[in-house]
Amino acid sequence: GQQVMQIPQYQHVQEGEDFTTYCNSSTTLSNIQWYKQRPGGHPVFLIQLVKSGEVKKQKRLTFQFGEAKKNSSLHITATQTTDVGTYFCAAPDYGGSQGNLIFGKGTKLSVKP
Amino acid sequence: DVKVTQSSRYLVKRTGEKVFLECVQDMDHENMFWYRQDPGLGLRLIYFSYDVKMKEKGDIPEGYSVSREKKERFSLILESASTNQTSMYLCASSFGTPGHEQYFGPGTRLTVT
Repeated sequence: GQQVMQIPQYQHVQEGEDFTTYCNSSTTLSNIQWYKQRPGGHPVFLIQLVKSGEVKKQKRLTFQFGEAKKNSSLHITATQTTDVGTYFCAAPDYGGSQGNLIFGKGTKLSVKP
Repeated sequence: DVKVTQSSRYLVKRTGEKVFLECVQDMDHENMFWYRQDPGLGLRLIYFSYDVKMKEKGDIPEGYSVSREKKERFSLILESASTNQTSMYLCASSFGTPGHEQYFGPGTRLTVT
């Protein structure tokens, strides 16, 4: 079935270093969403990308959607301890109906002060 | 702000007990979802509902059932709890149009002993 692959599974960085997580699909996606889950918390929607080659920024976070709409990335510049958590990408499930999303398994980011 | 609430943050049940997890959303969303989250396995969809009294199986429906009698409320039922159902259970809701973001509740940490 449709899958969204996300790498890496874990990333440990020193505070101030950059961080990137990647999301890949074998099929063309209509859109891709990103969520953040803080430790002990629940996933919270960050952003949605729809257009081919789209780039969006939220402060130190940069989100990109590939030209072929099959991959996406989230880049954090100069990580801070507040960035700790698990970042998920998600895409519409074409095999399903009515708004299902397929989630990547997430990248767990830890930041050493 | 969208609010999704779940009946309990922590729950401890015995093997064989019937367990009810309730979820309520206040944004008039058509879609509601139940996921379980386990380390290394990401978010796995148990059941979802796109309308009152409508339900569809997700990826791991075995051992679970659901009920949606009112639009704002979606219940997950474990007919006979087993230890392998110890997990974090997350409820989410979204508008019905495909591609909308999902809003998650705080989660219920269920332990079955």
